[in-house]
Amino acid sequence: NAGVTQTPKFQVLKTGQSMTLQCAQDMNHEYMSWYRQDPGMGLRLIHYSVGAGITDQGEVPNGYNVSRSTTEDFPLRLLSAAPSQTSVYFCASSYQENTEAFFGQGTRLTVV
Amino acid sequence: GIQVEQSPPDLILQEGANSTLRCNFSDSVNNLQWFHQNPWGQLINLFYIPSGTKQNGRLSATTVATERYSLLYISSSQTTDSGVYFCAVASSGGFKTIFGAGTRLFVKA
Repeated sequence: NAGVTQTPKFQVLKTGQSMTLQCAQDMNHEYMSWYRQDPGMGLRLIHYSVGAGITDQGEVPNGYNVSRSTTEDFPLRLLSAAPSQTSVYFCASSYQENTEAFFGQGTRLTVV
Repeated sequence: GIQVEQSPPDLILQEGANSTLRCNFSDSVNNLQWFHQNPWGQLINLFYIPSGTKQNGRLSATTVATERYSLLYISSSQTTDSGVYFCAVASSGGFKTIFGAGTRLFVKA
């Protein structure tokens, strides 16, 4: 049982490049979410999904897009990377929106 | 939206000491969790505790939902307890789980 898997673990982008951070879970969880964590700070919610085909914005959605075509996958897209998006990104899943959440190991993204 | 405040922001303990971490929240919640982020950045579930009291070894947690706070107790602290402890809540009827800023704990040998 892999739990929540994020890829890649590390990434360096140039300003203006696009990329997709992958998140997959094998626990048949309905609820998935993306957070970013900046140095010395807590996690801030970017986007979340309560099930396949349903997504919504969190606290800091600007500059990020998501989609949820399957229960298992919840990719996060950066359309035009900016240095302000340098951060560690965490994906989480839970059975439902108000049950115990499980986190992936994070993706450390640097935008130069 | 709901506000989450954790205290203290930083804590230094001698190995073997006990500590209490606090999480205050500004609205009624139907989800409250405590996490430990270890020095390698991994987030580990400690407790799912929207109300009541739970214990797991040297750790225990209590949430008093009517007074909008939760406490995490660490007894006989060990150096491996070092890291950041986060409280995360979702307001009643909401879908967004919001994190506090965390308590950074360092346990000295």
